Amino acid sequence: QITLKESGPTLVKPTQTLTLTCTVSGVSLNKIGVGVGWIRQPPGKALEWLAFIFWDDARRYSPSLENRLTITKDTSENQVVLTMTKVDPMDTATYYCAHATSPYWCFDLWGRGTLITVSS
Amino acid sequence: EIVLTQSPGTLSLSPGERATLSCGASQDISSNYLAWFQQKPGQAPRLLLYGAYIRATGIPDRFSGSGSGTDFTLTIARLEPEDFAVYYCQHYGPSPPWTFGQGTKVEIK
Repeated sequence: QITLKESGPTLVKPTQTLTLTCTVSGVSLNKIGVGVGWIRQPPGKALEWLAFIFWDDARRYSPSLENRLTITKDTSENQVVLTMTKVDPMDTATYYCAHATSPYWCFDLWGRGTLITVSS
Repeated sequence: EIVLTQSPGTLSLSPGERATLSCGASQDISSNYLAWFQQKPGQAPRLLLYGAYIRATGIPDRFSGSGSGTDFTLTIARLEPEDFAVYYCQHYGPSPPWTFGQGTKVEIK
């Protein structure tokens, strides 16, 4: 059974760097055809795709946030880490990580999400 | 980047009625790389359909998808009480970026 769990600070100050961790169980992040992405959802608003990392370490980012995001994976811990620089109150949202596999690459399994508030 | 537009914004229906949700894409979505998700308050989204019409594991057959190219539809044949939720379409595939629609809320009339 594959599960994902997000973790990170609940409160971040504007201009700081946010670091989020997704811990994956039940599948190795090195397994061919496996990938993990990050998606966020501001309160009462729609989902927004942020970033994705493939099993071979290839990475893709949302064009609108690419200059602020970095996605990496730690295969020893089976975790995916997302960093977002220069956060703003507009970045307040629930952040989800989700699993996808080839050939479809759609998000078939999601973590429960973690609410991040950006406020001074 | 493909922009997805969902309509209507809100659908007010009664249990037992048929729900028809639309998702329009700003450009052709190749290989029908279009998914539908259901989200209930306080929960993560749940994958309903992928490949435009393929039901995910455990999804009841009252949920069906159709369409191709730039126009896609999610149909719920007979609404059950647990189906009242927000539904999102998403463009995915082997080459990001990926995008979500803005959502359609199905509420009890």
